[in-house]
Amino acid sequence: AQTVTQSQPEMSVQEAETVTLSCTYDTSESDYYLFWYKQPPSRQMILVIRQEAYKQQNATENRFSVNFQKAAKSFSLKISDSQLGDAAMYFCAYRSAFGARQLTFGSGTQLTVLP
Amino acid sequence: NAGVTQTPKFRVLKTGQSMTLLCAQDMNHEYMYWYRQDPGMGLRLIHYSVGEGTTAKGEVPDGYNVSRLKKQNFLLGLESAAPSQTSVYFCASSYHSVRSNQPQHFGDGTRLSIL
Repeated sequence: AQTVTQSQPEMSVQEAETVTLSCTYDTSESDYYLFWYKQPPSRQMILVIRQEAYKQQNATENRFSVNFQKAAKSFSLKISDSQLGDAAMYFCAYRSAFGARQLTFGSGTQLTVLP
Repeated sequence: NAGVTQTPKFRVLKTGQSMTLLCAQDMNHEYMYWYRQDPGMGLRLIHYSVGEGTTAKGEVPDGYNVSRLKKQNFLLGLESAAPSQTSVYFCASSYHSVRSNQPQHFGDGTRLSIL
């Protein structure tokens, strides 16, 4: 079974600064996908960014980028130019490339953005 | 453009009562999932379905039953509610293909309290 670990329960960042959220995972599979989801106080689950394991190039989406280290099984999220609206719980998630493709989530990191 | 709709949005039950949570999606997705979210634990898979008429157990299935009589609906039932089932419940759906990096689409969650 796959496991996902987020070792930072809480993080804070000054507005306009950069912050990195950590995620590690354990799997015996070679083909899979990784995701970061954002959950604001509204409780919605919002996809932030995704990475295919077979791609060496790190995914980027505007101010969000990842550092994907397949050998180390690490998948960190970098938020640049942090904004007040980035404040939320962030979840790292793993999904097999085949089968029922359910998500395995980490325990989350609560990000606070300081004005 | 409804996406994934969960009803009800919140509910309070007494121990031993039964209830059904409804999830409806209008995206013609084959796969549907039920997760629960507890503080400090992220989302955990309860049950899932890969198509109409099929269901399977996830990580934490005990105390729950599900049914998928129609492709667009996925029902989660609690036959005899227990305080340990107090949680926020999320439904999600996704496309099926041989290989897919399509994300799961989430509903807005149901907050359930068992007294």
